[in-house]
Amino acid sequence: SQTIHQWPATLVQPVGSPLSLECTVEGTSNPNLYWYRQAAGRGLQLLFYSVGIGQISSEVPQNLSASRPQDRQFILSSKKLLLSDSGFYLCAWSAGGGGHYGYTFGSGTRLTVV
Amino acid sequence: SQQGEEDPQALSIQEGENATMNCSYKTSINNLQWYRQNSGRGLVHLILIRSNEREKHSGRLRVTLDTSKKSSSLLITASRAADTASYFCGVREADSWGKLQFGAGTQVVVTP
Repeated sequence: SQTIHQWPATLVQPVGSPLSLECTVEGTSNPNLYWYRQAAGRGLQLLFYSVGIGQISSEVPQNLSASRPQDRQFILSSKKLLLSDSGFYLCAWSAGGGGHYGYTFGSGTRLTVV
Repeated sequence: SQQGEEDPQALSIQEGENATMNCSYKTSINNLQWYRQNSGRGLVHLILIRSNEREKHSGRLRVTLDTSKKSSSLLITASRAADTASYFCGVREADSWGKLQFGAGTQVVVTP
């Protein structure tokens, strides 16, 4: 069965510090991968998506970047965090082929930038 | 860009009652998906309805889609306290690659 792992669950980081959030998927190959951010009490904002190794599409310009060094690994990074980067970050995967299947989400990382 | 817009923002009902929430969107879609999110957790996929479908059922869940009105509804029948969660619709636009755009969700509270 397919599983998705996301860590850490919570993170408190000072402004200006770097960030690295990791997401891995097991039990499937060539998944589509996504990073979303959810502000408190708000909807989900799509940040990045990837259809394959090294292929990253950015939805909104911001202080973050994403990488996919392996087929089932998706990393969200920042060189210098801003207060506005605080939020709940969710990784998700779906079967390839362009959105005909539901997403499976990870359990999320709550990031607080202080 | 935000596509799915859920209504109402919040809903409070008692166990046994039905809960209905709506989702409106702006452009042509390939499919629309409903998800549930318990507090502080990831989203869980509930139902996917394609643009050529009008109604789907899954257990106590019923989803309708009206493409002429660009809207969808999610009905939870005979609600339970465990249904307390936020519900989101995710919209896949017809001309986009597989991306889902979500709204702000409907927060449902079911009291015993």
